[in-house]
Amino acid sequence: DAGVIQSPRHEVTEMGQEVTLRCKPISGHDYLFWYRQTMMRGLELLIYFNNNVPIDDSGMPEDRFSAKMPNASFSTLKIQPSEPRDSAVYFCASSPRLAVGDEQFFGPGTRLTVL
Amino acid sequence: AQTVTQSQPEMSVQEAETVTLSCTYDTSESNYYLFWYKQPPSRQMILVIRQEAYKQQNATENRFSVNFQKAAKSFSLKISDSQLGDTAMYFCAFEDSGGSNYKLTFGKGTLLTVNP
Repeated sequence: DAGVIQSPRHEVTEMGQEVTLRCKPISGHDYLFWYRQTMMRGLELLIYFNNNVPIDDSGMPEDRFSAKMPNASFSTLKIQPSEPRDSAVYFCASSPRLAVGDEQFFGPGTRLTVL
Repeated sequence: AQTVTQSQPEMSVQEAETVTLSCTYDTSESNYYLFWYKQPPSRQMILVIRQEAYKQQNATENRFSVNFQKAAKSFSLKISDSQLGDTAMYFCAFEDSGGSNYKLTFGKGTLLTVNP
């Protein structure tokens, strides 16, 4: 398996533009997570899905952020409009969650820079 | 809410020596899982080791072992025979085993540098 795939690896955009980050989880994993990593706040969970259904979006910072999972093999995180404070590395992770304590498998992350 | 604290922002060690990274956490739960994840310069987060709170025996994975002190809510990572490839950011994380919610709470991380 190729692991969790994220695209793009790097994104540079200007303030006010729409940004879409993409994730393909590992096949067969029922759980998908979106995290944001910044120097100030560390690694934060934004939202997670179980069987394509959003379970907890309490970490989504504001309405400018939205996430979807239209099928088991694809998820998007959208920021509209983007702001400089959204600059961060965004990780997608997936897990089979066959048992408590199962590992989360992380993608390589997308480094977002908003100018 | 659970919190995870890593009090050492940066550490360094000489190659082949042993180093211990500290982690403390706060929870009212009785059963939970603790993890150490490694993030090398490539950014890829990789699981190093995990520990279930109900298990008294400390987990070990090759050169990596933990010292789990449940009463003290402490979960330190020991790396023996440090190698240059161990240079990375290390994150301690907590997962609550109870309830229907499934969330990992991460510490801020410790940057470990292994010097030749």
